[in-house]
Amino acid sequence: EPEVTQTPSHQVTQMGQEVILRCVPISNHLYFYWYRQILGQKVEFLVSFYNNEISEKSEIFDDQFSVERPDGSNFTLKIRSTKLEDSAMYFCASSTGLVTSNEQFFGPGTRLTVL
Amino acid sequence: AQSVTQPDIHITVSEGASLELRCNYSYGATPYLFWYVQSPGQGLQLLLKYFSGDTLVQGIKGFEAEFKRSQSSFNLRKPSVHWSDAAEYFCAVGAGRLSFGNEKLTFGTGTRLTIIP
Repeated sequence: EPEVTQTPSHQVTQMGQEVILRCVPISNHLYFYWYRQILGQKVEFLVSFYNNEISEKSEIFDDQFSVERPDGSNFTLKIRSTKLEDSAMYFCASSTGLVTSNEQFFGPGTRLTVL
Repeated sequence: AQSVTQPDIHITVSEGASLELRCNYSYGATPYLFWYVQSPGQGLQLLLKYFSGDTLVQGIKGFEAEFKRSQSSFNLRKPSVHWSDAAEYFCAVGAGRLSFGNEKLTFGTGTRLTIIP
């Protein structure tokens, strides 16, 4: 069964460093998302992406964040200068966009630890 | 803005007993509703979803949920829980626009389910 994959599973970085989190969505999906979950808290929407541009972003998704689909398969989230409060589990998701099957499939997540 | 409330932070149930997890949502129109399950250290797995039609929806692992518009609720139920059901359960709402698929999901704070033998 097709699935969303994410790499790395765990990333440790120093405050102020740039990180890139990678995702491979399901191949025939057209909509892509990033969510994050700070430890012990709820899952929060960051950004949605369609047709090579951002569809919607939350207030969390400030200028330090960017997303890109560099090729036909990968979808990346870049944090330019990490802060301690960026430590969280980051989930990538994808969906077909079809009304009849509008569910988002989530990857296993990347745990980001900022020291 | 859409929102989801899961009033129970933690529920403990005996194995074999029935289960009901509560979810209330706020949204101005007919929403898309979802239940996801997250096992420790794992990602989010979709249990079931409601888009339209029959208000009682069946999902995987023997779970079901009922959409009640009058109560703005979408409670998750299972008649008999198994030890493997111990996990965190998240209710989520998506805006029910019919012409687009790129709707963000708004999650509740989750309910942690503990199963005792």
